[in-house]
Amino acid sequence: AQSVAQPEDQVNVAEGNPLTVKCTYSVSGNPYLFWYVQYPNRGLQFLLKYITGDNLVKGSYGFEAEFNKSQTSFHLKKPSALVSDSALYFCAVRDETNAGKSTFGDGTTLTVKP
Amino acid sequence: NAGVTQTPKFRVLKTGQSMTLLCAQDMNHEYMYWYRQDPGMGLRLIHYSVGEGTTAKGEVPDGYNVSRLKKQNFLLGLESAAPSQTSVYFCASSYSDRTYGYTFGSGTRLTVV
Repeated sequence: AQSVAQPEDQVNVAEGNPLTVKCTYSVSGNPYLFWYVQYPNRGLQFLLKYITGDNLVKGSYGFEAEFNKSQTSFHLKKPSALVSDSALYFCAVRDETNAGKSTFGDGTTLTVKP
Repeated sequence: NAGVTQTPKFRVLKTGQSMTLLCAQDMNHEYMYWYRQDPGMGLRLIHYSVGEGTTAKGEVPDGYNVSRLKKQNFLLGLESAAPSQTSVYFCASSYSDRTYGYTFGSGTRLTVV
């Protein structure tokens, strides 16, 4: 069975500082990894994905994520946080053998303070 | 460019009542999913469909039924609502190619009293 863990319920950073939101995963095959963002009272929006290739992937709004196979991690990063980045972030894994279903982490609330 | 549309956006039900949530997508996606979101529990898969006329159970299917009579629509039914089904329900769709991410609807906030 596949699983995703987001060890931090909440991450607080000051505007302009770098941010990291952590994610670890467990799958039986090759991992297809995704990050989504949810703003208040909205649905989730796709941010970025890792399928294969370069371990550093870039996505929307200046976010990037680093895939580490040995540590089974896929941490979300941004060099300089904005107040508008404050939202709920979900990591998800899509197992290539599992009918396209995604398993989501419990989510991490990111708060960026001015 | 509507994407995924969910109706209704809000609903209050009394225990024992029934209702149907509608999800419609205009992207010709093969796969469709229903998730529920509860505080501190992330998203949990209720049911999903890999094509017109097919459905399958997810992680938390009890108390729900689904139908996918047309490729663009995925209906979630509650036959006899219970307070434990108070939640925010999200529909998502995707291409059958698993390298694509999901497109989500804006959600339905359901309260069962």
